[in-house]
Amino acid sequence: GESVGLHLPTLSVQEGDNSIINCAYSNSASDYFIWYKQESGKGPQFIIDIRSNMDKRQGQRVTVLLNKTVKHLSLQIAATQPGDSAVYFCAERDRGNGGSQGNLIFGKGTKLSVKP
Amino acid sequence: GAVVSQHPSRVICKSGTSVKIECRSLDFQATTMFWYRQFPKQSLMLMATSNEGSKATYEQGVEKDKFLINHASLTLSTLTVTSAHPEDSSFYICSARGQGFNTEAFFGQGTRLTVV
Repeated sequence: GESVGLHLPTLSVQEGDNSIINCAYSNSASDYFIWYKQESGKGPQFIIDIRSNMDKRQGQRVTVLLNKTVKHLSLQIAATQPGDSAVYFCAERDRGNGGSQGNLIFGKGTKLSVKP
Repeated sequence: GAVVSQHPSRVICKSGTSVKIECRSLDFQATTMFWYRQFPKQSLMLMATSNEGSKATYEQGVEKDKFLINHASLTLSTLTVTSAHPEDSSFYICSARGQGFNTEAFFGQGTRLTVV
């Protein structure tokens, strides 16, 4: 189900380093996962997605890893830049209620802070 | 990607009044729209799902008489917060998806509602 936290975990990295943001999802029947980036005062921005029949997918500077055995998802950002500073959310597609709605369930989020 | 426009981006209203938030898909037909609420430093929580021409499906704990959702056309959905109270102050975000379960959903920019 959905999770709500009182505060966001924070990951602080040096510019140029690689970042790894982790997420534990709840539903073993979820078949589709997305990472979003959210800057302050804005809506979520799509970064990368992965389907459950894959365990790795690469984009430009980003890689998503999926471990269905332990229900774990991670986002790797290579050569992190100050513009990457934001809150990152993982989301799983809910196939409940017969899967007819396909709405997304968001994780708690991680705040990434990049030091110049 | 496709564009979803949400308006207004910020609104301040007096307690007891109603506020309408619009969500438009600018370059595709949004068969399904999702409305989320996000409190500070928390994740997005799904409020309701609406399919064009049908009544919205509300998540548990969301009052349908307080949060009125209309999805009368394939490009516009509205969320009306009726008799707003300070505790309704939040960041409201819409998401729109085209025809098909596997279609990607695109997010609006969000609306910051402050009830005074």
